[in-house]
Amino acid sequence: DAKTTQPPSMDCAEGRAANLPCNHSTISGNEYVYWYRQIHSQGPQYIIHGLKNNETNEMASLIITEDRKSSTLILPHATLRDTAVYYCIVRSDSNYQLIWGAGTKLIIKP
Amino acid sequence: DVKVTQSSRYLVKRTGEKVFLECVQDMDHENMFWYRQDPGLGLRLIYFSYDVKMKEKGDIPEGYSVSREKKERFSLILESASTNQTSMYLCASSLGASGYGYTFGSGTRLTVV
Repeated sequence: DAKTTQPPSMDCAEGRAANLPCNHSTISGNEYVYWYRQIHSQGPQYIIHGLKNNETNEMASLIITEDRKSSTLILPHATLRDTAVYYCIVRSDSNYQLIWGAGTKLIIKP
Repeated sequence: DVKVTQSSRYLVKRTGEKVFLECVQDMDHENMFWYRQDPGLGLRLIYFSYDVKMKEKGDIPEGYSVSREKKERFSLILESASTNQTSMYLCASSLGASGYGYTFGSGTRLTVV
């Protein structure tokens, strides 16, 4: 599976959109991009995933570049409860495993 | 909502004890996973199972075994607990191999003294 690169930390003001970048330059054609987050002392929580097209759900939007080498997770109106470590993972269709990196620690400030 | 329930939130065991960590999911998921999470090392896969009675080693299976006798239950066993197995243990489940997210339990913080 391809590896991902994320900034170690980011700040965002409450009520603003939080844009979390992820580089996955070695991604292959059958690999999905997944995003999870982990709030302190809890298990990771699935947010969203995509293959080629942009995706949106009730939690977030996922923007994948046309060459698929990078993506951005967007939390449209960040709240204090969105403070967490956000993980970007790429995973092939046939692989059961997720390869976890260090993630981005997102701090939402009042 | 899918729920993954881990039997204990906190556990303290002595070196050499046999330890059982239980995980139950209620949405008929085929796949189940055990991870450990340590500061600076992230989440590491110990074992996973894609069907009843089936198991596969993950990245760090040494010192652990697993059991999946029923679809909804996946147990992690520390045969003889050691202090370097002090960690947060996370269970997860998922539907099939492709295109579905994992649902995680809240974790068990195990301390071996």
